[in-house]
Amino acid sequence: GNSVTQMEGPVTLSEEAFLTINCTYTATGYPSLFWYVQYPGEGLQLLLKATKADDKGSNKGFEATYRKETTSFHLEKGSVQVSDSAVYFCALRGGSYIPTFGRGTSLIVHP
Amino acid sequence: DAGVIQSPRHEVTEMGQEVTLRCKPISGHNSLFWYRQTMMRGLELLIYFNNNVPIDDSGMPEDRFSAKMPNASFSTLKIQPSEPRDSAVYFCASSLAIKPGTLNTGELFFGEGSRLTVL
Repeated sequence: GNSVTQMEGPVTLSEEAFLTINCTYTATGYPSLFWYVQYPGEGLQLLLKATKADDKGSNKGFEATYRKETTSFHLEKGSVQVSDSAVYFCALRGGSYIPTFGRGTSLIVHP
Repeated sequence: DAGVIQSPRHEVTEMGQEVTLRCKPISGHNSLFWYRQTMMRGLELLIYFNNNVPIDDSGMPEDRFSAKMPNASFSTLKIQPSEPRDSAVYFCASSLAIKPGTLNTGELFFGEGSRLTVL
């Protein structure tokens, strides 16, 4: 079956630091890949997505590239802000049409 | 545009009571998902509907849990009787069904969740 593995958190950074959250996946076929973000007390919301190999999704300064050869979709941001503190979920959705989510990675950004 | 609407936002009840959570998906979406989120187990898929029909309910914990979708604009998740271990945040999400060859990638739109506390 499909699976998503993302790095354990929490990730703690100072403001303006570089962020990487690793995500790898196992899936049959060619799934679409997603990063969702969950702010405290809210539901998950789509941050960015990529639908095929070598696609780069980007939004709000965050980026992730669909790497089929390494089955990865790592999330990066060059300079994090306190307001980026949240839980980040890597996910895929493919032929089974049922989404598969990672466990989530908590990001804490200090001023 | 209205997003996914869930009610109630918070529910505190006593063990043994019936709990009903409600969800109104985004108009036009034909897939609906119920998730449960806890610190220990993370985000768990409970049940998935497509065109109002339950497709996969393998995540429903036990017979105390039931879900219905009587029409395209409403779904309920019921717990009867409730137990303290059911305490969690329950999310409803909707999406368009994936159609190969289209631009629809099937991203999910989540409601704000219903926080259930069973004493």
